[in-house]
Formats: sequence, C-alpha cells, structure tokens
Amino acid sequence: EAQVTQNPRYLITVTGKKLTVTCSQNMNHEYMSWYRQDPGLGLRQIYYSMNVEVTDKGDVPEGYKVSRKEKRNFPLILESPSPNQTSLYFCASSLDLNSPLHFGNGTRLTVT
Amino acid sequence: RKEVEQDPGPFNVPEGATVAFNCTYSNSASQSFFWYRQDCRKEPKLLMSVYSSGNEDGRFTAQLNRASQYISLLIRDSKLSDSATYLCVVMTGTGGFKTIFGAGTRLFVKA
Repeated sequence: EAQVTQNPRYLITVTGKKLTVTCSQNMNHEYMSWYRQDPGLGLRQIYYSMNVEVTDKGDVPEGYKVSRKEKRNFPLILESPSPNQTSLYFCASSLDLNSPLHFGNGTRLTVT
Repeated sequence: RKEVEQDPGPFNVPEGATVAFNCTYSNSASQSFFWYRQDCRKEPKLLMSVYSSGNEDGRFTAQLNRASQYISLLIRDSKLSDSATYLCVVMTGTGGFKTIFGAGTRLFVKA
C-alpha cells in the first residue's frame, strides 16, 4: 500500500531534550516536506527536500533540522525543543511540483 | 496580505444545499492548485486537483481562474459526511518548491 509513515504519533518531552520524528514514504517520490499546524495559523512549511541531499527552508525553519540521506526517509530533528514547538506535525511527499501531496498521519508533540 | 486567503467560515448549511468556497492567491507564478479535506486534526486528504479547464468529481466541482488568481470549490447536494475543514493548497516552484496552505474553511452540514 502506498503510504507516508510518521513516527511517533504522540510525543511528550521536556525542554532541551533532543528528539527525532521519522518520516518514510514507499512511493519513490522526489519531493518530501514537513509542516506544523497550529490553531489559527493553519499549516506552515518547515523544511522541504527536492531530492536526496537537497533540502531547503520553508516558512518556519527556526529550531528544526532535516536530512535526506535516502530518497524514502526525511526525518525532522529538534536539537533543543522548546514549548513553542508544541504542535501537530505532518510529513508529506509528492512525485513532483504538479502532483498532489500525500500526508502521513501526523505527530502530536508536546514540549513541557 | 496572506499568500493564500480563504474565508474561514464557518459555513452552516442544511443537507442537500449547494455551497461554494473561494480561495485567492497572491503569487502569479504559482504552478499547481489543490483542494484538501481535513477532519478534526487528522491528516489532510486530497479532494481534487484544480485546473483552468475546471474539473468535476461527482458532487464536487473545482475551478481555477489564473487571471483573477482564485480557485473555487462547489459542493452540490451536501451530505452530513461533508462536514469538515476544506483547505486550498498552492504550490510554486519559484525560489524553491514551496507549499502554501489556506487557513481552511469550516463546513457544517446539518440534518
């Protein structure tokens, strides 16, 4: 089954404790991207990748890192999480710029 | 001005009604356009791609007007199950591969 898999679904952590949210797709998509969704602000792009070893900042990249060592994986790294990074995170992939995005199930992160 | 603007609603309509949503975008170089549906903080799910020629899928019709920089979604014969948030999504390759979401329009369909 074609899908985007994110883990974990729920995560509660403390300020400053490094964490990684994994994202994997099995559709051989070139493009992958991370978003956060906050009440009243909608979905905002954090980072995206157009291919292996090619990543770029979205609209809200501060406090986040990503890597794209393999085509299928695009982990989101929070080196030192802070409470303002409490949010609902989505990973997505698409074949190209003209194709729709396929979303993972989301990760609900709480930083205390 | 936001890059993609939607009326947040909510739209409250009875079953069987026809409802229309509009979405405007500011970047004339935007390349592709989509409508997504999102239920209760779950992942967005593709409803329709949007083309200048217009496209229809059952009760749903989407239209793109590049000259006026807006996209529309028409839902005919609304069902209770259509209750959700509808997101317009604009993708552009200018200066990268950016994805801009509208804030979403909330729809409630009542019996």
